[in-house]
Amino acid sequence: QSVLTQPPSVSAAPGQKVTISCSGSSSNIGNNYVSWYQQLPGTAPKLLIYDTLARPSGVPDRFSGSKSGTSATLDITGLLTGDEADYYCAAWDSSLSSWVFGGGTKLTVL
Amino acid sequence: QVQLVQSGPELKKPGSSVKLSCKASGGTFSTYAFNWVRQAPGQGLEWMGRIIPVFGTTNYAPNFQSRVTITADETTYTAYMELSSLRSDDTAIYYCAKGPAARPRFDSWGQGTLVTVSS
Repeated sequence: QSVLTQPPSVSAAPGQKVTISCSGSSSNIGNNYVSWYQQLPGTAPKLLIYDTLARPSGVPDRFSGSKSGTSATLDITGLLTGDEADYYCAAWDSSLSSWVFGGGTKLTVL
Repeated sequence: QVQLVQSGPELKKPGSSVKLSCKASGGTFSTYAFNWVRQAPGQGLEWMGRIIPVFGTTNYAPNFQSRVTITADETTYTAYMELSSLRSDDTAIYYCAKGPAARPRFDSWGQGTLVTVSS
């Protein structure tokens, strides 16, 4: 069981919007920044969102992050078939003194 | 842009140890945090630990505290992860991932190293 909880899968049609949730606690999401990673099939993860809502250069603004309390959210708008991937949230856990990940969410673009 | 190149695949016997490397090119090696993250087949990401050369610190995940050692050689810009007492469930892809020393993110990842533990 992962410390951060994500839905196993989400799906939507091309052009639509999808939201991926990530639930934690006060020791991780509640008091620390959240980052999100995209893992395309057979590849290493890639940083998508950092500091909860910032995008690295080169990441389209179709991807956005937010946080409320002990939950974080990744929104993807204007879905493309190339967005099909696994998405992971992560945060530093102050109680564990460890990074913790969500279990990952598989996005299917129908 | 810092690139991370990891060592090649490993086949190990149960009970043995494995030492993986992660060579960084570009950037200022000592100012980064080098993390190790593993992914078992069909599973999610699991953080194992990190080293921050500029602070001279290491942190290990509780699950790996007794079995993992992470080191760094600033002269060769290489980070290492050694995992001991290998079991079959240690079979996984092991990634190194870097981030700024004082910032919470993994902004560059290595290509991954497959470690297979089998008798």
